[in-house]
Amino acid sequence: GQQLNQSPQSMFIQEGEDVSMNCTSSSIFNTWLWYKQEPGEGPVLLIALYKAGELTSNGRLTAQFGITRKDSFLNISASIPSDVGIYFCAGPFLNSGGSNYKLTFGKGTLLTVNP
Amino acid sequence: EAQVTQNPRYLITVTGKKLTVTCSQNMNHEYMSWYRQDPGLGLRQIYYSMNVEVTDKGDVPEGYKVSRKEKRNFPLILESPSPNQTSLYFCASSLSAYTGELFFGEGSRLTVL
Repeated sequence: GQQLNQSPQSMFIQEGEDVSMNCTSSSIFNTWLWYKQEPGEGPVLLIALYKAGELTSNGRLTAQFGITRKDSFLNISASIPSDVGIYFCAGPFLNSGGSNYKLTFGKGTLLTVNP
Repeated sequence: EAQVTQNPRYLITVTGKKLTVTCSQNMNHEYMSWYRQDPGLGLRQIYYSMNVEVTDKGDVPEGYKVSRKEKRNFPLILESPSPNQTSLYFCASSLSAYTGELFFGEGSRLTVL
């Protein structure tokens, strides 16, 4: 299946630090999405990007849709303990038959914030 | 309240005993999908459905079946579960597959002995 390469796999940071993570693919995407999963829960959508070069913010979160349409970045500023969780990038692409869209996820970045 | 509801949330079963995990959404969403989550492997798509009566295989469909007879329901069927299907399963729905804006259920943790 289609692969989204997400890095880093995990991060351990101090409260107040900024965080940056990214996602790359060998294929072009028309949409990039970032989700967060807190312990014991399902993922929740944080930010959706629909245009190459787009920079979108949601509070302390900022995400960018790469110009090449093959990558995306998520930044978290001034981290706090409740930022702990797994962050996933995701993107839809056409299946091999060209009839349906599949939504594929990266393997996630596990973020730990030390108070 | 808009939600995706999965049942059961936890299940321990034995090899070969057929089981169904139900999924229902109340948002009139066209697109529904099942994922399994395993340590180090992220979220892998099992099956998805663009609309009623339209389903397609994801990346790891072996050992699973689905049906989409009604818009709101998308059950996941394990005809003969095996230990390698022990996992955390998530159902999700979206207004459109193209937007990718999924709403996830709370997950179903399945253990096959």
